[in-house]
Amino acid sequence: KAGVTQTPRYLIKTRGQQVTLSCSPISGHRSVSWYQQTPGQGLQFLFEYFSETQRNKGNFPGRFSGRQFSNSRSEMNVSTLELGDSALYLCASSLGSSGGRTDTQYFGPGTRLTVL
Amino acid sequence: GDSVTQMEGPVTLSEEAFLTINCTYTATGYPSLFWYVQYPGEGLQLLLKATKADDKGSNKGFEATYRKETTSFHLEKGSVQVSDSAVYFCALSSGGSQGNLIFGKGTKLSVKP
Repeated sequence: KAGVTQTPRYLIKTRGQQVTLSCSPISGHRSVSWYQQTPGQGLQFLFEYFSETQRNKGNFPGRFSGRQFSNSRSEMNVSTLELGDSALYLCASSLGSSGGRTDTQYFGPGTRLTVL
Repeated sequence: GDSVTQMEGPVTLSEEAFLTINCTYTATGYPSLFWYVQYPGEGLQLLLKATKADDKGSNKGFEATYRKETTSFHLEKGSVQVSDSAVYFCALSSGGSQGNLIFGKGTKLSVKP
């Protein structure tokens, strides 16, 4: 079974621009979660989508948004980029049906975003 | 709120040494506990997990036991290899509307031949 895929793997943008990242989950997985990884803050949860609905949201500004399509693929968008948005953005998928603590998340390789 | 604390790194060991990476957690409910590993330039890989007290997760020679009385989930391996060099993350999931993972800061392990 193919794993979680993320595109693109690397992105360079300038301040003020916007960016869209894409994630394709493992086949059969209906939940997609997004995380931001930085050296200073570590791994922080952005949001989770299940069946095209945002089910959970972390503590990030409204510039960070996402959506999920009927095939469970997900995109996240960051508008008005800031230097501090430079990070590795990780997507994870899970079955999601239990919506619960035993649900195991499987991660993609990440998209490395650099904001200049 | 829920949180995870793991030992600061980096940890440097010689090949075949014993490894322990400490992890403790704070949670209001009964979380599931996970260890993930991240190799340079890659995403996170699930190493092992435990979903209830006294469960032992194991994989690739790594083990961790869910200890509710000490709120701990320490990672151990009897004999490390150079290929185990990576960053290790302890994480918890409390479920419900908070089904997202909460991670520790990560511990970088370097194994020397």
